[in-house]
Amino acid sequence: EPEVTQTPSHQVTQMGQEVILRCVPISNHLYFYWYRQILGQKVEFLVSFYNNEISEKSEIFDDQFSVERPDGSNFTLKIRSTKLEDSAMYFCASREGLLSNQPQHFGDGTRLSIL
Amino acid sequence: GENVEQHPSTLSVQEGDSAVIKCTYSDSASNYFPWYKQELGKRPQLIIDIRSNVGEKKDQRIAVTLNKTAKHFSLHITETQPEDSAVYFCAAPNTGGFKTIFGAGTRLFVKA
Repeated sequence: EPEVTQTPSHQVTQMGQEVILRCVPISNHLYFYWYRQILGQKVEFLVSFYNNEISEKSEIFDDQFSVERPDGSNFTLKIRSTKLEDSAMYFCASREGLLSNQPQHFGDGTRLSIL
Repeated sequence: GENVEQHPSTLSVQEGDSAVIKCTYSDSASNYFPWYKQELGKRPQLIIDIRSNVGEKKDQRIAVTLNKTAKHFSLHITETQPEDSAVYFCAAPNTGGFKTIFGAGTRLFVKA
């Protein structure tokens, strides 16, 4: 069964450094998402992406964050100048079609640790 | 704004008993209600979902019910087993499905 893949599985970065998290969505999927989960807390929506544009973003997704689909397969989340509070699990997800009543498929996540 | 409330935050049951987790949502345009199971350190895994044109859906030991009028939906697990122990999240999308709001999660413990 096709899967969403994320790399790296664990990223350790110094505060203030830039970090790029990578995702390869399922190949025929059209909608892509990034979520964040701070340890022991709920899954929080960051951003959705369709047709090379951001569809919607949350209050968390400020100017330090950006997303990109550089080559038609990868979907990346960049954090420009990391803060301690960016430490969390970051999940990428993709959805097949345009209908909002279709399931999202999650990757295994990247654990981001900011020192 | 959009909100999804989930209760209880923790649920402990004996093996073989049933477990019920409830969620309410605020966006009346929401039309899709998934439930995810998350084991420690793993990704959320979709276990069942329901669309707003049905009131109930069952898959073996798990079922979901939806009351659109009251904006409630519930997860029911029957004949619980220790391997059902995990955190369960409900979720609801906003109009168009561009944003999905998750509930705060329910930590289910099934005691053998």
